[in-house]
Amino acid sequence: AQKITQTQPGMFVQEKEAVTLDCTYDTSDPSYGLFWYKQPSSGEMIFLIYQGSYDQQNATEGRYSLNFQKARKSANLVISASQLGDSAMYFCAMREGLSRGNTPLVFGKGTRLSVIA
Amino acid sequence: EAGVAQSPRYKIIEKRQSVAFWCNPISGHATLYWYQQILGQGPKLLIQFQNNGVVDDSQLPKDRFSAERLKGVDSTLKIQPAKLEDSAVYLCASWAGTGGYTGELFFGEGSRLTVL
Repeated sequence: AQKITQTQPGMFVQEKEAVTLDCTYDTSDPSYGLFWYKQPSSGEMIFLIYQGSYDQQNATEGRYSLNFQKARKSANLVISASQLGDSAMYFCAMREGLSRGNTPLVFGKGTRLSVIA
Repeated sequence: EAGVAQSPRYKIIEKRQSVAFWCNPISGHATLYWYQQILGQGPKLLIQFQNNGVVDDSQLPKDRFSAERLKGVDSTLKIQPAKLEDSAVYLCASWAGTGGYTGELFFGEGSRLTVL
């Protein structure tokens, strides 16, 4: 079974509008972390935001916020006031077993966001 | 602070040839990962090192792929012999911690392999 599911292969958003990128995850581990990365056409992976499973509040980083709904196992990324430079692939990722120590990131298939002027 | 360095950035080879990729993580980062990213997909973990020991290589096709991190610093990923389906970007990432709260992984720019 897929650990991370991103159901939107591609999304379009008008410049200055907000957009939500969906991510659902599957784990039975109570201790896990959720990450969002941005990958522009140049190829590098840029860390955006992190949410821990025990965090009480939704994470925010500038124009990025994470809508964490633990019971529904979803961790959607919200980008406010979209800019042309936000056009990129966006990946949701999870690390399970934080209490066990060193576990790898597992990535979803990604969503390609295109911002329209 | 210097980032994760990878080379070469691009490589084109014929099938059945061999290729090697090099990664130098951020100084002091104990954990190093190699991911394979096929076009249109998310990165898939190939191997994870902590210092110079292998933590997880369960998804590494060991009949053709090998990786080492001899001195616990830089690492080499080798493919021999290459197949068409190995065409992908090979991403190296490093992480400072060894357990508990994670922090993010830092990625290199990747090495793009094309197998003809």
